[in-house]
Parts: sequence; C-alpha cells; structure tokens
Amino acid sequence: EAQVTQNPRYLITVTGKKLTVTCSQNMNHEYMSWYRQDPGLGLRQIYYSMNVEVTDKGDVPEGYKVSRKEKRNFPLILESPSPNQTSLYFCASNDWGDTQYFGPGTRLTVL
Amino acid sequence: GQSLEQPSEVTAVEGAIVQINCTYQTSGFYGLSWYQQHDGGAPTFLSYNGLDGLEETGRFSSFLSRSDSYGYLLLQELQMKDSASYFCAVRNSNYQLIWGAGTKLIIKP
Repeated sequence: EAQVTQNPRYLITVTGKKLTVTCSQNMNHEYMSWYRQDPGLGLRQIYYSMNVEVTDKGDVPEGYKVSRKEKRNFPLILESPSPNQTSLYFCASNDWGDTQYFGPGTRLTVL
Repeated sequence: GQSLEQPSEVTAVEGAIVQINCTYQTSGFYGLSWYQQHDGGAPTFLSYNGLDGLEETGRFSSFLSRSDSYGYLLLQELQMKDSASYFCAVRNSNYQLIWGAGTKLIIKP
C-alpha cells in the first residue's frame, strides 16, 4: 500500500530534550516536506527536500533541522524543543505532479 | 509576502450546494490545489487547476481564474460526511506549496 508513515504519533516531552520525528514514504517520491499545523494558521512549511542531500527552508524553519540521506526517509529533528513548538506535525511527499500525500500526523506537546 | 485568503467558516444544509472561495498572492504560480481534512485526520487531495476554467470530479468541482488570482471549490449534493476543513494551496515559483488557513464547512441536516 502506498503510504507515508510518521513516528511517533503522539509525543509529550520537556523543554530542551532533543527529539526526532521519523518520516518514511514507499512511493519513490523525490519531493518531501514537513509542515506544522496550528489552529487558525493552516499548514506552514518547515523544510522541504527536492532530492537526496538537497534540503531547503520553508516558512518557519527556526528551531528545526532535517536530513535527507535516503530518498524514502526525511526525519525532523528538534535539537532543543520549546513550548512554542507544541503543534501538530505532518510529513508529506509527492512526485512532480501536484498531489501531496500526507502522513497521519504527529501531535507534539513540549512542557 | 505570499498569502491565500479563504473564509474561516461556511455553513450549509445537507443536499445543498456550497462554494468556498480562495484568492491568492504568491511569487509565481504553478497551480491551485484543494485539500480536505477531517477532524483528527491528515489532509487529502481533492483537485488541481493549472489552467483557467472548471475541473469536475464527481460532486466536487474547482474553478480557476489566473487573471483574477482567484479560485473556488464547489461541492454539490452535500452529505454529512463532507463536514470537514477545506484548504486551498498554490505552488509558487520555488515549487513550494503555500496554504490558506482553511475553511471549516459545517453541514446541517
């Protein structure tokens, strides 16, 4: 089944404790993105990647890191999480068409 | 800056027709997409317009006017399961998808 998977689905952590949210897609897509979704603000892009070893900042990259060492994986890293990073996070992938496929989401709470 | 404007909430009656508008201002334009998101779920793709005009997919249609920087999503024969949030998104010249804040569609019996 074609899909984007994310882990964990839910995470509660404390300020300053490094964490990684994994994302993997099995559709051989070149393009992958990370978004955060906050009430009333829609989806805001954090980082995106057009290919292996190529990543670019989106609209809200501060406090986040990504890597793209393999085509299928695109982990999101929070080196020192803060409470303002409490949000719902989505990973997405697409080929060069216009349909983005989203993972199920990761609800992160930073205390 | 880049922005997409859409109404925050629309209410309609089951069986009726509803239109959700989207106006955009972006650096470059490579198409307008619409996504549906149910509470607690992930966004799912509904439709895409790259050129002016109407695209129809079953009960859903989407329209684009590039000269007006405007598009809309039309939902016909509304069903209770259509209650969700609907997002418009534009792909800009950097191949980024820029998103509207979403329209919550409330359907009453």
